[in-house]
Amino acid sequence: DAGITQSPRHKVTETGTPVTLRCHQTENHRYMYWYRQDPGHGLRLIHYSYGVKDTDKGEVSDGYSVSRSKTEDFLLTLESATSSQTSVYFCASREQAIANYGYTFGSGTRLTVV
Amino acid sequence: GQQVMQIPQYQHVQEGEDFTTYCNSSTTLSNIQWYKQRPGGHPVFLIQLVKSGEVKKQKRLTFQFGEAKKNSSLHITATQTTDVGTYFCAGRTQGGSEKLVFGKGTKLTVNP
Repeated sequence: DAGITQSPRHKVTETGTPVTLRCHQTENHRYMYWYRQDPGHGLRLIHYSYGVKDTDKGEVSDGYSVSRSKTEDFLLTLESATSSQTSVYFCASREQAIANYGYTFGSGTRLTVV
Repeated sequence: GQQVMQIPQYQHVQEGEDFTTYCNSSTTLSNIQWYKQRPGGHPVFLIQLVKSGEVKKQKRLTFQFGEAKKNSSLHITATQTTDVGTYFCAGRTQGGSEKLVFGKGTKLTVNP
């Protein structure tokens, strides 16, 4: 799992400020994902990418945008942070190979919006 | 949209007892995956099931995929304290959807 890192690991920000979370992978995985994890909700998909500059929305994409300018980097931006976006954010990636579709997750970013 | 329901939400067992978590989808799945998340950690991929009725084993863990490809289960025999964590199932719908939908997980605690 060392091939995917997230930064920062923890962040406290004020309501209304923009926030960018970074995901970096060294596995040359084509697919990358951003999930948020909240008590009682499990893991919910925010956005995902199926290649450089190719992204699509997940089930909870409102208030979030993403960018993927390089294979290894997938950025998640909260355009104007709200308290409801306080959560743990996980980035994940996967190989394209048919035999293995398991996701590799980063260690997560704990974001608190005050 | 697709929903994946997982039960129970919590399970507390004595060390040595068996444990089972169940996963049900509202739609037919092309495959299902299982992940384990230790307290304070991140989800770790355990296994993927693809075929109808498939059964796979990993040491004390047995994974099953239902005949209709709408349900799955994870059974742990003789739990150990190292099994503590939250177990998630995640399903992908047929048709090649890229979206993997996670169940809410079953949190397992083990009393030594």
